[in-house]
Amino acid sequence: EPEVTQTPSHQVTQMGQEVILRCVPISNHLYFYWYRQILGQKVEFLVSFYNNEISEKSEIFDDQFSVERPDGSNFTLKIRSTKLEDSAMYFCASSGQTGRTEAFFGQGTRLTVV
Amino acid sequence: AQSVTQPDIHITVSEGASLELRCNYSYGATPYLFWYVQSPGQGLQLLLKYFSGDTLVQGIKGFEAEFKRSQSSFNLRKPSVHWSDAAEYFCAVGAEAAGNKLTFGGGTRVLVKP
Repeated sequence: EPEVTQTPSHQVTQMGQEVILRCVPISNHLYFYWYRQILGQKVEFLVSFYNNEISEKSEIFDDQFSVERPDGSNFTLKIRSTKLEDSAMYFCASSGQTGRTEAFFGQGTRLTVV
Repeated sequence: AQSVTQPDIHITVSEGASLELRCNYSYGATPYLFWYVQSPGQGLQLLLKYFSGDTLVQGIKGFEAEFKRSQSSFNLRKPSVHWSDAAEYFCAVGAEAAGNKLTFGGGTRVLVKP
């Protein structure tokens, strides 16, 4: 069964460093998303991406964040200068179309900023 | 704006007993509704979804949910719980008008007693 894969599964980084979280969405999907879940809190939407551009972003997704689809398969989330409060589980998701379709989630990347 | 409330943070149930998890949503139009399950250290797995039509939907692992428009609810049920159902359950609402971004509830952690 097709699945969304994320790498790495865990990342520890020092405050102020840049991190790139990687995702390989399901191959024929067109819509891509990043969500995050701070420990003990709800899953929050960060950004959606379609047709090589951001279609929507939340207030959390400030100038420190960026997304890219550098080739036909990868979808990345970059955090330019990490802060302690960026520590969270980051989930990538993809869906085949808008409308009546579900999003499929990856296993997540646990980011710890120290 | 979309919002989702899961009133129960924790539920403990005996193995073999029935389970019902509550979910209330707020959205101006007809929402798309989802239940996801997250086992410890794992990603989000879709249990079931509602887009339209029959208000009682069947999902994987023996789960079902009922959409009640009058109560703005989408409660999840399982007639007989197995120890492997111990996990965190998230209700989510999405809509095509919102670019299919999902808004999640806070989650309900289910503990299963032997």
